[in-house]
Amino acid sequence: KQEVTQIPAALSVPEGENLVLNCSFTDSAIYNLQWFRQDPGKGLTSLLLIQSSQREQTSGRLNASLDKSSGRSTLYIAASQPGDSATYLCAVSDRGSTLGRLYFGRGTQLTVWP
Amino acid sequence: DAEITQSPRHKITETGRQVTLACHQTWNHNNMFWYRQDLGHGLRLIHYSYGVQDTNKGEVSDGYSVSRSNTEDLPLTLESAASSQTSVYFCASAGGSGRVGEQFFGPGTRLTVL
Repeated sequence: KQEVTQIPAALSVPEGENLVLNCSFTDSAIYNLQWFRQDPGKGLTSLLLIQSSQREQTSGRLNASLDKSSGRSTLYIAASQPGDSATYLCAVSDRGSTLGRLYFGRGTQLTVWP
Repeated sequence: DAEITQSPRHKITETGRQVTLACHQTWNHNNMFWYRQDLGHGLRLIHYSYGVQDTNKGEVSDGYSVSRSNTEDLPLTLESAASSQTSVYFCASAGGSGRVGEQFFGPGTRLTVL
């Protein structure tokens, strides 16, 4: 069974810092990897989607990398802002079907203080 | 704009009652999913569907059922609500166009079983 781990569980940084969130998964036979953001009491917002054939994806100040062979992904946030405060979730899709279910990590709770 | 909606957003019910949570998407996605989110467990898959008349069990399906009579809707039914089913429930959908495999989530339903 696929297991997804996110480190650290919580992170508190001052505004302006560049930071890295880590995600690891046990089975490298994935179809894609998705990073989400979740604000308190809200749903999940998709940030970045990396297909298994890709190495990285970028959106604004966010960059996600994927090393499928080692079972790792990182989410890099540049020049962090208080508005980035949220929980960040990593999820991988199994390769059993093209648009398969997601296995989630428990998230990294990020606080960016002014 | 396409979206995925859930209703009700909040529900309080009593043990033993039947409860149905609605999920409606306008993405025209074939694939739909139900997850529950609990502290200490993260998001776990309850049921999923790859198209009309197709339903499949996820890892925590006991006590839940779904039916898929059209593309847009996947209602989740708790046959006889139990206190262990107090949770936040998220519906998601995924399609084959654009960013293939990307899952989009609804805002969630917070269910309390007394």
